[in-house]
Amino acid sequence: DAGVTQSPTHLIKTRGQQVTLRCSPKSGHDTVSWYQQALGQGPQFIFQYYEEEERQRGNFPDRFSGHQFPNYSSELNVNALLLGDSALYLCASSPRGQGGNTIYFGEGSWLTVV
Amino acid sequence: AQSVAQPEDQVNVAEGNPLTVKCTYSVSGNPYLFWYVQYPNRGLQFLLKYITGDNLVKGSYGFEAEFNKSQTSFHLKKPSALVSDSALYFCAVRDQAGTALIFGKGTTLSVSS
Repeated sequence: DAGVTQSPTHLIKTRGQQVTLRCSPKSGHDTVSWYQQALGQGPQFIFQYYEEEERQRGNFPDRFSGHQFPNYSSELNVNALLLGDSALYLCASSPRGQGGNTIYFGEGSWLTVV
Repeated sequence: AQSVAQPEDQVNVAEGNPLTVKCTYSVSGNPYLFWYVQYPNRGLQFLLKYITGDNLVKGSYGFEAEFNKSQTSFHLKKPSALVSDSALYFCAVRDQAGTALIFGKGTTLSVSS
């Protein structure tokens, strides 16, 4: 049973460019969330997708957008990249339902903006 | 607003000794609490969670956590530390919407041989 998978593992972008990160949830999970983890910090919630719609959003600007596909996989898009967007981006999945469900994380995508 | 505090940036312990990594929380209502571990350059691995029931929760790799409602704490413990336990540990609480996890800043555990 594959866990949460993310791609790419590492990437380097230039300021002002756009980036797309991809995520496949754990088998049986239909809810996908994205988190940003800056160096030395705890992960920060970006947004969550369920039934192909954004259900909740954290304190991130509109430059951060996402998408969920019918197979539950998801993409995170960041436009007009800033140096401060350099971070580890974590995808997490869970089954829809009560708040007690465990959220499982992928290995992350390391984004460096130069 | 819901929040989590991990008061120690780093915990040092000798191999074979018991370890405790502290976490306190602030929530309205009943808390859903989680512990995750992160090894260098890796994602987060789930260790254990408290939803309801027994205040002592057992998890992966011999870890356990004690939920204390009066002290609003959820400390992570292990009776005998291993060098391989050295990692970054995060405490988290589920938000009021039951959607996002709110994380503490993390505690680095260093186990010496």
